[in-house]
Amino acid sequence: GENVEQHPSTLSVQEGDSAVIKCTYSDSASNYFPWYKQELGKGPQLIIDIRSNVGEKKDQRIAVTLNKTAKHFSLHITETQPEDSAVYFCAASIQGGDKIIFGKGTRLHILP
Amino acid sequence: ETGVTQTPRHLVMGMTNKKSLKCEQHLGHNAMYWYKQSAKKPLELMFVYNFKEQTENNSVPSRFSPECPNSSHLFLHLHTLQPEDSALYFCASSPTSSGDTEAFFGQGTRLTVV
Repeated sequence: GENVEQHPSTLSVQEGDSAVIKCTYSDSASNYFPWYKQELGKGPQLIIDIRSNVGEKKDQRIAVTLNKTAKHFSLHITETQPEDSAVYFCAASIQGGDKIIFGKGTRLHILP
Repeated sequence: ETGVTQTPRHLVMGMTNKKSLKCEQHLGHNAMYWYKQSAKKPLELMFVYNFKEQTENNSVPSRFSPECPNSSHLFLHLHTLQPEDSALYFCASSPTSSGDTEAFFGQGTRLTVV
């Protein structure tokens, strides 16, 4: 069945450095790729998303890139700050966009 | 605050108990969802409701019984659960049930089955 693989499962980055989280998907018809951030004790919250008609999208310190040929997409966080510490989930739409499936998540630690 | 409110935040129940989780949204969304989050597993979609009608049941055991009386409220009735059902349960809503729109999640209920 369709799935989304996410790596790494844990990532520690020095404050101020960049963090990159990568995902691959299996459904070639996937056309929507959101990223969610989950802070401790809270539900996931959308931070950025990208659709298949663009290759890159940026919002301040956060950017997402998409390679449809290779079926992978990545989240880039620059100039990391302590408040970036959280679990990040990638997701991809499947079944013609009727539903989405999530990756297993990446726990990001920002080191002081 | 996402606009989706879940109660209770924590629940401990025995395997013979019956309890319910409640979700409420006042975002004007037409689709509501239940997700299960277990350790080291991706978020798993359980149920989808669109305009109060169930449109998805992702092979969830019958000991989980959803109810959607209107577009703003969603319940998950629990009975005769197993210890392996212990997990975080999230409610979410979105403008439509299409998978390509933002989902707004509640803060979750941490369920422990003893």
